Amino acid sequence: KAGVTQTPRYLIKTRGQQVTLSCSPISGHRSVSWYQQTPGQGLQFLFEYFSETQRNKGNFPGRFSGRQFSNSRSEMNVSTLELGDSALYLCASRLGDYNEQFFGPGTRLTVL
Amino acid sequence: KNQVEQSPQSLIILEGKNCTLQCNYTVSPFSNLRWYKQDTGRGPVSLTIMTFSENTKSNGRYTATLDADTKQSSLHITASQLSDSASYICVVGRDDYKLSFGAGTTVTVRA
Repeated sequence: KAGVTQTPRYLIKTRGQQVTLSCSPISGHRSVSWYQQTPGQGLQFLFEYFSETQRNKGNFPGRFSGRQFSNSRSEMNVSTLELGDSALYLCASRLGDYNEQFFGPGTRLTVL
Repeated sequence: KNQVEQSPQSLIILEGKNCTLQCNYTVSPFSNLRWYKQDTGRGPVSLTIMTFSENTKSNGRYTATLDADTKQSSLHITASQLSDSASYICVVGRDDYKLSFGAGTTVTVRA
């Protein structure tokens, strides 16, 4: 079956702009999580959605938001981009709380 | 302070040699521990998942151990190959389905 897909794969924006990233989980998976990964910080948890509800949230400012649709697809939005938002944004889905988490290939965001 | 500490931060080994990566955690209440492999520029891929009652789990040349009493886990790579060059991330899951991530260990395998 198809894995987790993320679009776009690469994105270049300038400071102050906003961006929307998309994630399609594996079919049947209702949990979708978003992570930010930078070379110095490793994987940082942004938020998790389960059945269209945000279930957990990491320590990121309100500029980072997300949502999940009824088909479990999820979007993440970052407003008023800052240089420090340049990172690899990863989406992961899992069937249940104790199941394996499958990651997508990520979206590489560069803020100039 | 990160609740999942990995060591070493990086290591270099020769092809064919074995190596062991360490993960110490303080996450509570503990539910499960996962090891992921992440190749450069790609998303992490799960290697093993262990619950409280499991103390060893293998996936090919990768063997993970868990000591829930001392809150330590290790990942042993046997007969390393060039394709093992990657970052290895330890992730601890809590009962409330939150996950805590270690910073990772970067392994470089040289011919």
